[in-house]
Amino acid sequence: GESVGLHLPTLSVQEGDNSIINCAYSNSASDYFIWYKQESGKGPQFIIDIRSNMDKRQGQRVTVLLNKTVKHLSLQIAATQPGDSAVYFCAETFGYNKLIFGAGTRLAVHP
Amino acid sequence: DGGITQSPKYLFRKEGQNVTLSCEQNLNHDAMYWYRQDPGQGLRLIYYSQIVNDFQKGDIAEGYSVSREKKESFPLTVTSAQKNPTAFYLCASSIEQTQYFGPGTRLTVL
Repeated sequence: GESVGLHLPTLSVQEGDNSIINCAYSNSASDYFIWYKQESGKGPQFIIDIRSNMDKRQGQRVTVLLNKTVKHLSLQIAATQPGDSAVYFCAETFGYNKLIFGAGTRLAVHP
Repeated sequence: DGGITQSPKYLFRKEGQNVTLSCEQNLNHDAMYWYRQDPGQGLRLIYYSQIVNDFQKGDIAEGYSVSREKKESFPLTVTSAQKNPTAFYLCASSIEQTQYFGPGTRLTVL
C-alpha cells in the first residue's frame, strides 16, 4: 500500500547550523503534505504544509520543498536551536482527510 | 495543542477492564480522529469521524470503540478485546485537510 517513509532516523546537528530532514512518499496522487514536530510526551505540532501544486513554501525559519518528480519532501530548518530538538514527521493525504504518517526522524541539536 | 484537550494525561488499567479516553475540541471542527503511537513509531489511525453521529474504522480498529454524539466530543473506549493496549493515544481534529492534535493520553495496562 501507499506509505510515507524517512531517509534518516536520527539527525545530529550543531546549534546554529541548518538542518535538512528528508521524506519519501510513494503515492503520486497525494495532493497535500504536512510536517509535524513532536516533543517527548506531547502531541504532534503542525509546522508547515504544502500542496502538490507548489514546489516550495517558507515559514518562520522553516522551508518545505516538494519534488514531485522523485516523490520527495524535505524540511529545512535555518539556524537550528536547542528547542528544535524533537521528532519530525512528514504526512501525506489524499481524499477523505486520511493522513499517512512516516515513522519520524529524531533531530538532536548539540551546543 | 490549540483547543483540543485530552484527559487524563496518564491512565492505568488492569487487564480485562474497559477504559474510556476523553477528547474535546472547541475549534468547531467537523472531523475528529484517534491515533495510536507506539515507541519509536509513527501514528496509526484507529477511528475517525467526519460528522456528528457518523464514524469509520481506521487501520487498527479492532478492540476499540467510539461515539460521536456531539461535535465537540469524540471519546475512545479501549476494550478488553484489545490485546496490546499499552500505548500513547492521540486525538486530532481537522479543518479541511489540516489535522491538529491534542496533548495525548498515555495508557498503561498493568
